[in-house]
Amino acid sequence: AQSVTQPDIHITVSEGASLELRCNYSYGATPYLFWYVQSPGQGLQLLLKYFSGDTLVQGIKGFEAEFKRSQSSFNLRKPSVHWSDAAEYFCAVLSGGYNKLIFGAGTRLAVHP
Amino acid sequence: DTGVSQDPRHKITKRGQNVTFRCDPISEHNRLYWYRQTLGQGPEFLTYFQNEAQLEKSRLLSDRFSAERPKGSFSTLEIQRTEQGDSAMYLCASSFGQETQYFGPGTRLLVL
Repeated sequence: AQSVTQPDIHITVSEGASLELRCNYSYGATPYLFWYVQSPGQGLQLLLKYFSGDTLVQGIKGFEAEFKRSQSSFNLRKPSVHWSDAAEYFCAVLSGGYNKLIFGAGTRLAVHP
Repeated sequence: DTGVSQDPRHKITKRGQNVTFRCDPISEHNRLYWYRQTLGQGPEFLTYFQNEAQLEKSRLLSDRFSAERPKGSFSTLEIQRTEQGDSAMYLCASSFGQETQYFGPGTRLLVL
């Protein structure tokens, strides 16, 4: 069955530090992968997506992610975190004949000043 | 740029009451999705429409839940005889075909 695992439930970083959020997926066919961000009480905002092509994808707000098929991973990175990046981050794969998203449980990011 | 909108944003109801939520997708999008998100979890797929046709329903969508998209534009999600376990954030998303899904702000339901 298709699934997405985000191993880290909570991560705390200092402002200005680098960030990497981990995501592993299980999907038999070519995966379409996404990272979304959710601020408290809000909907989900798309950060970036991977459909095909270059395995390093750039997104909004200075985020990037790298698709590694051999490791079934799609980790999210940012070189320097800002206090406004504190939120919950969800990795997702487009499943079910590319008709529905399957999400991981999320990683809650806290940023210390 | 008009995104996905949902109404209401918050709903408090008593157990056993019926509730209805509305979702207005991005205007040129032909697909509309409903997801449910409980505290501390990622969203879970409930159902989706292509135009006015409901093409897939999750097993999470019990017979107390019904969704419609009568004219292929806005959609409603109704929950009959609400239970405390229905308390969650209900998220709507839309897309053009199998392209990226864009989410609305959600409707937070609390069943007392």
